[in-house]
Amino acid sequence: GAVVSQHPSRVICKSGTSVKIECRSLDFQATTMFWYRQFPKKSLMLMATSNEGSKATYEQGVEKDKFLINHASLTLSTLTVTSAHPEDSSFYICSAAGEGTTLNEQFFGPGTRLTVL
Amino acid sequence: EDQVTQSPEALRLQEGESSSLNCSYTVSGLRGLFWYRQDPGKGPEFLFTLYSAGEEKEKERLKATLTKKESFLHITAPKPEDSATYLCAVQAKGYQKVTFGIGTKLQVIP
Repeated sequence: GAVVSQHPSRVICKSGTSVKIECRSLDFQATTMFWYRQFPKKSLMLMATSNEGSKATYEQGVEKDKFLINHASLTLSTLTVTSAHPEDSSFYICSAAGEGTTLNEQFFGPGTRLTVL
Repeated sequence: EDQVTQSPEALRLQEGESSSLNCSYTVSGLRGLFWYRQDPGKGPEFLFTLYSAGEEKEKERLKATLTKKESFLHITAPKPEDSATYLCAVQAKGYQKVTFGIGTKLQVIP
């Protein structure tokens, strides 16, 4: 149980384009989803928290107009990186918590490697 | 601000050589402390949640313990497939946010 999928697993795009990453909870209803960014040899950096049907809450320093988060259903959240630049290249990971899990335990997706040329 | 410090940053063990990973934390009222395993290029895999000092949890060769200031992940007779980065994280009461440490990269040599 508590399986989270992410798509795509890898994406390469040109500078200036937008990229959408999907995060799905497959066997439970995710009332809360989280988006993280991970740099080599650094801890997971929380970008934003989204509760189903509400606007996402962004961490300090994260541009909400650049990283658009939508959590329209209890099984799907999307992260759109708008006008991507090489400095946005990173490993993006989502996690989910909710009904069918112990509410404060997060289950992670496999991650998306974004490379911006 | 919640803080998590993990040590050592890297650990190399011979197969069968038991050891412990440390996670020191400061948090304003602990709701839960979490251990995850992360393989290269993958998302973290949930291992344990600990809620209060004195609590212990076990899974196969892993055992997690908790005090008021730190948690230990004991690995008994490790195998090469236990090689991974082990992440510790804390959540404060009343908050959804979880704060992660940098992790300990464990390598088990046959």
